[in-house]
Amino acid sequence: DIVMTQGVLPNPVPSGESASITCRSSKSLVYKDGKTYLNWFLQRPGQSPQLLTYWMSTRASGVSDRFSGSGSGTYFTLKISRVRAEDAGVYYCQQVREYPRTFGGGTKLELK
Amino acid sequence: QVQLQQSGAELVKPGSSVKISCKASGYTFTSYDMHWIKQQPGNGLEWIGWIYPGNGNTKYNQKFNGKATLTADKSSSTAYMQLSSLTSEDSAVYFCARGTYYDYWGQGVMVTVSS
Repeated sequence: DIVMTQGVLPNPVPSGESASITCRSSKSLVYKDGKTYLNWFLQRPGQSPQLLTYWMSTRASGVSDRFSGSGSGTYFTLKISRVRAEDAGVYYCQQVREYPRTFGGGTKLELK
Repeated sequence: QVQLQQSGAELVKPGSSVKISCKASGYTFTSYDMHWIKQQPGNGLEWIGWIYPGNGNTKYNQKFNGKATLTADKSSSTAYMQLSSLTSEDSAVYFCARGTYYDYWGQGVMVTVSS
């Protein structure tokens, strides 16, 4: 199985600052079509996860352009610009390159 | 608008089975996979498998073979997951999520296994 490893944020993050969340995969997530099969989700307290980006850097419908995904085949970053109170929660990366689909352990974002 | 409405919380005894549902609305049910995800208290997310309601095809995480069975009823646009031989390790919240991109999620069903 592909192992997804997420970094830790130096919490709390001051409101209005930027935050970068990292994720590493044990195997390249680039498929032969050239796409990188990585999703990012945000789970706010008491809620279901919400899709933020797919194909590593494509924002889901309705997601703020303050969220941007980037990376290589095995190392990925989700950058959140001008952090706001509603961005608080746990962020998960997920690989959809191979079965079984696997998630990172989550990165908690707290705001100051 | 797209909605996935899951059934209510379950309290079940060890060794028993439980069947939870995910009713879809606002889109063509038979055109998207339905995925199921497990989240244990305070823990991360674990992918269980998917079903394609259009033809009933399924794909499971090997870890859940024999534990989870996915079915779908096209007439009611409802996906189901049955969990069998329940133990305390199965106590968790279970989510359904639509399609390859998991763009819509149900609200989750808490299953508690306790005698």
